[in-house]
Amino acid sequence: EDQVTQSPEALRLQEGESSSLNCSYTVSGLRGLFWYRQDPGKGPEFLFTLYSAGEEKEKERLKATLTKKESFLHITAPKPEDSATYLCAVQKYSGAGSYQLTFGKGTKLSVIP
Amino acid sequence: SAVISQKPSRDICQRGTSLTIQCQVDSQVTMMFWYRQQPGQSLTLIATANQGSEATYESGFVIDKFPISRPNLTFSTLTVSNMSPEDSSIYLCSTRQDPNQPQHFGDGTRLSIL
Repeated sequence: EDQVTQSPEALRLQEGESSSLNCSYTVSGLRGLFWYRQDPGKGPEFLFTLYSAGEEKEKERLKATLTKKESFLHITAPKPEDSATYLCAVQKYSGAGSYQLTFGKGTKLSVIP
Repeated sequence: SAVISQKPSRDICQRGTSLTIQCQVDSQVTMMFWYRQQPGQSLTLIATANQGSEATYESGFVIDKFPISRPNLTFSTLTVSNMSPEDSSIYLCSTRQDPNQPQHFGDGTRLSIL
């Protein structure tokens, strides 16, 4: 059974204090790993897609990396506006031309001024 | 990316009643999905609704409880039938243009059952 485990469940950082969020996964036939950001009362907002081990993507203070068993979302010098829940999802082929996402429970990040 | 609008944004319903959630997209999309997000839990796929075909339901979800319509390439509805307090959750609509593009989400419908 596909599993996605995110850690920690919650993370509290001081503004400017860099850290990493982890997403470990077990899936047969990975066809991509996705990171989303979710603000309270909103739907998930797409951040990155990673397809192969060694791949990296960057956007402002965020950098996502991928290995064969896990992905990291590195946050450099975070600001209070980076506070949100970060979701990781793995994609696999589910047949008949369709792909399915399996989500983790997310990491709730709070950045304190 | 497509702009996805859901109605209602929230509702409080009585046990045993049904509620239909609407999902409107500002452009034509091939794939639409309905998810449930319960507190402290991961997003769970309820069903995939592609235009021109019957919705495909995931294990644990059945058509009688969650009937779905997909009349065209910009609109879908999810009905939560015969509601019980266990159905209290956030229901999210999601779209995808093709497998090489990411899924995008609406802001969800927050449903509470009394």
